[in-house]
Amino acid sequence: QKEVEQNSGPLSVPEGAIASLNCTYSDRGSQSFFWYRQYSGKSPELIMFIYSNGDKEDGRFTAQLNKASQYVSLLIRDSQPSDSATYLCASEGASKIIFGSGTRLSIRP
Amino acid sequence: EAGVTQFPSHSVIEKGQTVTLRCDPISGHDNLYWYRRVMGKEIKFLLHFVKESKQDESGMPNNRFLAERTGGTYSTLKVQPAELEDSGVYFCASSPPYLGEDTEAFFGQGTRLTVV
Repeated sequence: QKEVEQNSGPLSVPEGAIASLNCTYSDRGSQSFFWYRQYSGKSPELIMFIYSNGDKEDGRFTAQLNKASQYVSLLIRDSQPSDSATYLCASEGASKIIFGSGTRLSIRP
Repeated sequence: EAGVTQFPSHSVIEKGQTVTLRCDPISGHDNLYWYRRVMGKEIKFLLHFVKESKQDESGMPNNRFLAERTGGTYSTLKVQPAELEDSGVYFCASSPPYLGEDTEAFFGQGTRLTVV
């Protein structure tokens, strides 16, 4: 079993709609969770991190964490074509980051 | 403030040759990570330095890969001899001493390695 699992996609969402990205993790000791966005040919960049159960909002992005279910999600409201990228979920455990395989998101005009 | 820098940005070598990748972390970042993304697959952890010490090298694929971090500053990742399956993008990241709340790992731009 992979430590961090994501659906590889592609996930296609119409412009203006809500994009929902999901992630599960296996290590119950993980304390912090990250969402990175990676444009093709570029390095990953952090867009959200969350460490408490519940929701965390930042602009159009909302991260949700449920430690009991070992589940993390990222919602992108009012999706824009510039949001088209690969989104990587990551968990922090034993001071290292473990990444999921990433979900490719495509926003169609 | 300078970010994480990696050199070279792109390397094309023949199978059997040796390549050395370099990563300069953000000054003051004790943690340095190497990751690799093979085309179509996930970003995989290779190893983690805390200062000059290897904290975790469980992701190193085999003994053809050697990572060092001189004096706890820059790091090198040597592949010798390179094989075709080593092709991919090698990312380096660094982070402050304690990873978690209010901290993040900063990534370099990556080195695209092509073995032909």
